[in-house]
Amino acid sequence: QSALTQPASVSGSPGQSITISCTGTSSDVGSYNLVSWYQQHPGKAPKLMIYEGSKRPSGVSNRFSGSKSGNTASLTISGLQAEDEADYYCCSYAGSSTFYVFGTGTKVTVL
Amino acid sequence: QVQLVQSGAEVKKPGASVKVSCKASGYTFTGYYMHWVRQAPGQGLEWMGRINPNSGGTNYAQKFQGRVTMTRDTSISTAYMELSRLRSDDTAVYYCARENPYSPGFDYWGQGTLVTVSS
Repeated sequence: QSALTQPASVSGSPGQSITISCTGTSSDVGSYNLVSWYQQHPGKAPKLMIYEGSKRPSGVSNRFSGSKSGNTASLTISGLQAEDEADYYCCSYAGSSTFYVFGTGTKVTVL
Repeated sequence: QVQLVQSGAEVKKPGASVKVSCKASGYTFTGYYMHWVRQAPGQGLEWMGRINPNSGGTNYAQKFQGRVTMTRDTSISTAYMELSRLRSDDTAVYYCARENPYSPGFDYWGQGTLVTVSS
């Protein structure tokens, strides 16, 4: 099972919006509404930002939103802030043989 | 409050085994699957497997089948991940992460345990 494909890097200025894509296949992203997104700052454990494709856990800013179309999921960060600079990973359930697969990760830089 | 506290860093020689622990508190340990995820230096996240703390049932990523064993001790709310026949490319930070079935995702993570494999 290959990792889901994400862009290596995305950048934006403060206040702008950026979108990170996460491309999988019909065996994972395309088949299940179980994509989650994680933010990871250097040297820290990942933090859940989005689950079930578009739902935010309590305490996560509404500047973060998720969506899915076909085999591609997306994470949008609006009103970009300096604290959003981090690595972001998507993750999808991939059935009862593979179970879970992570994306390749995207480094977000706030210019 | 929910906490997952992992054991400390380890240095192992190639061919050896390592066992990492993850002590849970602040919730009913047997009610949530525990997953293990690793991250090699400068690399991305990699799912290794999961354990159902209630039944002890496990599911492993195909890549680690035969080398990884996940167990738990419900009396002390602790999950374990043992990786055998270590190689240099097993050098990584290993995380435990709780799966929330009500909001599917890994909602709490341990602090990570660095395992270094070096001769």
